[in-house]
This record gives sequence, structure tokens and C-alpha cells, in this order.
Amino acid sequence: DIQMTQSPSSLSASVGDRVTITCRASQGISNYLAWYQQKPGKVPKLLIYAASTLQSGVPSRFSGSGSGTDFTLTISSLQPEDVATYYCQKYNSAPLTFGGGAKVEIK
Amino acid sequence: EVQLLESGGGLVQPGGSLRLSCAASGFTFSSYAMSWVRQAPGKGLEWVSTISGSGGSTYYPDSVKGRFTISRDNSKNTLYLQMNSLRGEDTALYYCAKLRSEVVVAATNHWGQGTLVTVSS
Repeated sequence: DIQMTQSPSSLSASVGDRVTITCRASQGISNYLAWYQQKPGKVPKLLIYAASTLQSGVPSRFSGSGSGTDFTLTISSLQPEDVATYYCQKYNSAPLTFGGGAKVEIK
Repeated sequence: EVQLLESGGGLVQPGGSLRLSCAASGFTFSSYAMSWVRQAPGKGLEWVSTISGSGGSTYYPDSVKGRFTISRDNSKNTLYLQMNSLRGEDTALYYCAKLRSEVVVAATNHWGQGTLVTVSS
């Protein structure tokens, strides 16, 4: 099975900083990758699908890139409301594995 | 508005069974694949199962294969998860989730609030 590895597992950044989270697949998955945001105590929310397509209603400071095995989620200017854990998920085929998560905090 | 309402969680002894349900509304249920995703306390998301819109295709990770069965009743707009031979490591909040497509090759764009399953003696 393909493994999904996220890094870093946690980070602390200042408001306005550019934040980058990486997701690496152990085998190529084309662009079948989604990013989710889960705020503390809340339900996960879809941010990006097809590696780089922004879900409707998601702020434009979020962006995704990559294809094959290496993917990136970028927050161009970190806001206080972005404090959350971010997960990637592959969906090219079952199993639909999630990454371990990346917790983003404000410094 | 898409709504997904899970029910059926609770406390069960190891080796026991439980059936979760998810009542869906606000969209054409049969046109979308559905999943169950779980989250153990303080842990990350774990995919549990997915079923195609027609119900003809089902998928499981090795961790639950042979113990869990996903099904759906498109006439009742309801998704199910039958869980047998439950173990302590199955303790988690179980989310019902809607995919963006009828087939499994799609991201998940809506989540329910979850139902808590606790496996303990």
C-alpha cells in the first residue's frame, strides 16, 4: 500500500508568515491528492482537491501544488483563524490513506 | 444544504458488534460515493471504508477488512457501517462523509459531526 508522509508534524509561525506543508507519497499518485483542514474540536473541511484546485469558498491564501509523489500546501499569509491540523489524503485508488497531519500554531 | 447525521455509536465490549447509520439529505444520495472515516481521541484521521453511489463497489483497509461491512440504502438516503469483532483500537469518533463523485476516485467534500464508539470492558 502507498504511504503518505507529511512534514513537518507541527510548526509555529507568526501572523503574516508564509507557511508550507509537504506531503510525500511512497509511490506516484498523479494529482489524486486532497488537503483538509481540521480546527480544534471541529469537523474536517476540504481545502484543495486534485492537488491544486481550491474548493469553493476557501480563501485564496491557500494553495496546493505537486504531482506524482511530492505535494505542497501553502498558506501565503498565515491568519489566526488558520490554527488547525492539516491532512493530506490520496484518492487515486483504495486504500484512501491520510497523512499523519501537520499542526499549525501561531507564534 | 448537505446534511449528514450519524447515529448508533456507544459503549460496547471487546468482541461485540455495533451498527452505525448516517442519514443524508440535501443532495441526490445515489449519485455520490460515501465513506466512513474515524479519529481516535487525540489522533489523526483514518479512512475506514468507502462505497460507490450504486453500492456495487466497496473498499476497506486491512485494519477492518473482514470485520466491518459498509452498505447503503439509496431508497432511504442512509449509509450504514456494521462493525463486528470490535477491538479497543476501534475506539474513535466515526465520521460519515460524502465524496465529490459517484466513484471512489474523489475527494471528500462534506462530513457529519461524528458518532463516538467506545470499545471497553
